[in-house]
Amino acid sequence: KNEVEQSPQNLTAQEGEFITINCSYSVGISALHWLQQHPGGGIVSLFMLSSGKKKHGRLIATINIQEKHSSLHITASHPRDSAVYICAYLGGSQGNLIFGKGTKLSVKP
Amino acid sequence: NAGVTQTPKFRVLKTGQSMTLLCAQDMNHEYMYWYRQDPGMGLRLIHYSVGEGTTAKGEVPDGYNVSRLKKQNFLLGLESAAPSQTSVYFCASSVDRGAEAFFGQGTRLTVV
Repeated sequence: KNEVEQSPQNLTAQEGEFITINCSYSVGISALHWLQQHPGGGIVSLFMLSSGKKKHGRLIATINIQEKHSSLHITASHPRDSAVYICAYLGGSQGNLIFGKGTKLSVKP
Repeated sequence: NAGVTQTPKFRVLKTGQSMTLLCAQDMNHEYMYWYRQDPGMGLRLIHYSVGEGTTAKGEVPDGYNVSRLKKQNFLLGLESAAPSQTSVYFCASSVDRGAEAFFGQGTRLTVV
């Protein structure tokens, strides 16, 4: 049973559109991670946040700890944003990250 | 700065063969992890280490062994590969539990 639910699973957008990816989890957490997996396979960390909002360039991540929900927004999307976006939280019995299945984003020119 | 480096990037094994995946990090991180990524599933933890000389089992440890003889290296071994171990394997490291994780580029392993 995956304890992290992401929606949508797949998302196709036109260049320039505003993108929202959602992440919901079922347990109390202290922080949530957003990661990006490039088409070539590499994974990079985008954000780690425990409250409020963080912004990096065109990417914005928000979290509501009480509602157990986080969103990743991309403004003015570009084809180079095409990737799989993964949310994760620290919660495993081994102190490990629990990952969502990812949202595959495709931005068309 | 190389970050986290995995070798090899691709490998095809026959059932029953053995191999070792190497993960090296140059950030002096204490924590290192091995994950596998399968279609339709999130990354799952195989084994992890909280420091040189220590290892522990993760969520899906069966069929794998690990060693961390040096702080910068974390090895994942498959003693007798099975088709169910066909997957993409990722190594990651972090300075502390729950801190930002740095990932290697992944190893695509196929067992036939």
